[in-house]
Amino acid sequence: LAKTTQPISMDSYEGQEVNITCSHNNIATNDYITWYQQFPSQGPRFIIQGYKTKVTNEVASLFIPADRKSSTLSLPRVSLSDTAVYYCLVVPSGAGSYQLTFGKGTKLSVIP
Amino acid sequence: DAGITQSPRHKVTETGTPVTLRCHQTENHRYMYWYRQDPGHGLRLIHYSYGVKDTDKGEVSDGYSVSRSKTEDFLLTLESATSSQTSVYFCAISEIDNEQFFGPGTRLTVL
Repeated sequence: LAKTTQPISMDSYEGQEVNITCSHNNIATNDYITWYQQFPSQGPRFIIQGYKTKVTNEVASLFIPADRKSSTLSLPRVSLSDTAVYYCLVVPSGAGSYQLTFGKGTKLSVIP
Repeated sequence: DAGITQSPRHKVTETGTPVTLRCHQTENHRYMYWYRQDPGHGLRLIHYSYGVKDTDKGEVSDGYSVSRSKTEDFLLTLESATSSQTSVYFCAISEIDNEQFFGPGTRLTVL
């Protein structure tokens, strides 16, 4: 499984756009990039997944360059409720069980 | 939210006692997982199951065993609890796609 590297922590003011970059130099051809969000005292929650270029949903956008060695999670206009830990994972595609490897994640603190 | 419950939600026990944590799902998902989360370590996979009576070890399986006799239940057993097993335990489920759904967690303290 490809290893990921992301910043340990980030601070942002309310209303700003936040970009969290993750590097995954050893990503395999069939791997997807997946992001999870975890609030204190809760289990992680899937927020977005992509393979290449750009993916957008109601929560976030995910930007993946052509070489796929990194990806950027973009959270538009953050609020205090976006304070959480964000995990970048590389996940093999295809059916079957798999082991998600959660690193330490990026602790995002949104400041009023 | 995916129908996943964990029981108990909190437990305090003493070193050397057996402990069983239960994960129950109502989604009929094939795959089930047990993770532990400790400060400074993120989440680490203990065991997982890919069907009834089909289980395999994860990254930190020593000291833990699991059983899955029904699709909806996945049990995690600590045969003889140690203080190093004090942690928050999360159960997760998934189907053939890549998204895992996590339960609310069980906070276990071993004194």
